[in-house]
Amino acid sequence: GAVVSQHPSRVICKSGTSVKIECRSLDFQATTMFWYRQFPKKSLMLMATSNEGSKATYEQGVEKDKFLINHASLTLSTLTVTSAHPEDSSFYICSARDPSGLQETQYFGPGTRLLVL
Amino acid sequence: GNSVTQMEGPVTLSEEAFLTINCTYTATGYPSLFWYVQYPGEGLQLLLKATKADDKGSNKGFEATYRKETTSFHLEKGSVQVSDSAVYFCALILIQGAQKLVFGQGTRLTINP
Repeated sequence: GAVVSQHPSRVICKSGTSVKIECRSLDFQATTMFWYRQFPKKSLMLMATSNEGSKATYEQGVEKDKFLINHASLTLSTLTVTSAHPEDSSFYICSARDPSGLQETQYFGPGTRLLVL
Repeated sequence: GNSVTQMEGPVTLSEEAFLTINCTYTATGYPSLFWYVQYPGEGLQLLLKATKADDKGSNKGFEATYRKETTSFHLEKGSVQVSDSAVYFCALILIQGAQKLVFGQGTRLTINP
């Protein structure tokens, strides 16, 4: 199946710094990517939908100035957690929709674990 | 709204046991239903799916049938293996509109040899 990568897989940062997470579709061009947050023993919560060449659409309750999303190319979307605080510590997962396949099929990255000290 | 409810975990079974993980949903429209699996240290992978009522999705010995009358999509496997240990997520998507995946809370499955 299609492959989606994330980098880094794990990051530890100090409170107040910004962290960038990359999501890449390796063997297809993704016009739409999604960013999720997963809390321990909880489900994945959709944060935002990222469309190539346009502004991301954020879910209710997600601060767009806090979680900056850029989808500058058909194979790369980035999530920047600005001025990170300990409550931002979480597991962040991206997914990408392959436009050549079935519309409802999303391919997921392996996730990035963020720890803010 | 749209939501998915899975049985609480964790679930621990012995190898070759029969597995059922319950999943029910509520949806404002007519959803497609999915089971995703997350193996340790890996991303979510699509396990199986069903797009209309009475469809049965199957893969790797797992099955789930789309039951519109009970709004359910229970996951079953007749004989589990240690390699099936993972977290399983039930999910739905409405093809109409924004096409966002809505996940259940996940069920951690551990299979002991």
